[in-house]
Amino acid sequence: QLQLQESGPGLVKPSETLSLTCTVSGGSISSSSYYWGWIRQPPGKGLEWIGSIYYSGSTYYNPSLKSRVTISVDTSKNQFSLKLSSVTAADTAVYYCARGDQFYWGQGTLVTVSS
Amino acid sequence: DIVMTQTPLSSPVTLGQPASISCRSSQSLVHSDGNTYLSWLQQRPGQPPRLLIYKISNRFSGVPDRFSGSGAGTDFTLKISRVEAEDVGVYYCTQATQFPFYTFGQGTKLEIK
Repeated sequence: QLQLQESGPGLVKPSETLSLTCTVSGGSISSSSYYWGWIRQPPGKGLEWIGSIYYSGSTYYNPSLKSRVTISVDTSKNQFSLKLSSVTAADTAVYYCARGDQFYWGQGTLVTVSS
Repeated sequence: DIVMTQTPLSSPVTLGQPASISCRSSQSLVHSDGNTYLSWLQQRPGQPPRLLIYKISNRFSGVPDRFSGSGAGTDFTLKISRVEAEDVGVYYCTQATQFPFYTFGQGTKLEIK
């Protein structure tokens, strides 16, 4: 059974960079033809796709976040990562990682942007 | 961008009764490969989203058969034949036809009367 787990700081200061990692277990990121993605959910609100990455490193970002987002992959560690720069309170959300077909999701991690 | 619009946004239902949620896309979700990449997610309170239905009508592993999906083109429906207490939560439609760009509906909150 494929499992995904997000990790990273739960508190980030305004204007700094949010960094999260998703560790995949029960399967290899590079052994299949799936994309891997990040989705976020502000408190009490709906889901927003942030971006996706293929194991080869090809990336696709939500145009509304593109200038601040970087997603990378480390196949040796079976992980992919999210960096979101210049964060504000509006970036406070639960951040989820998921396989590209949305068949599998992580449990999510709450990131709060506050000084 | 494809915009996904769900109705209703809130649905109070009596236990044991059916429920239905509609999802409309701003353009056809038929992919050039012939598939329609419309999925339904369930998010129970305090839980991550969980895939229920993919490609309009395919139930994901472990999903009870009281959940069914239908539709074509731009109009889709999720139906629950007999609502149970564990079905309370928010339901989202999502499209992956513009893969790898995804969009979600606003969500429909299912609650028990």
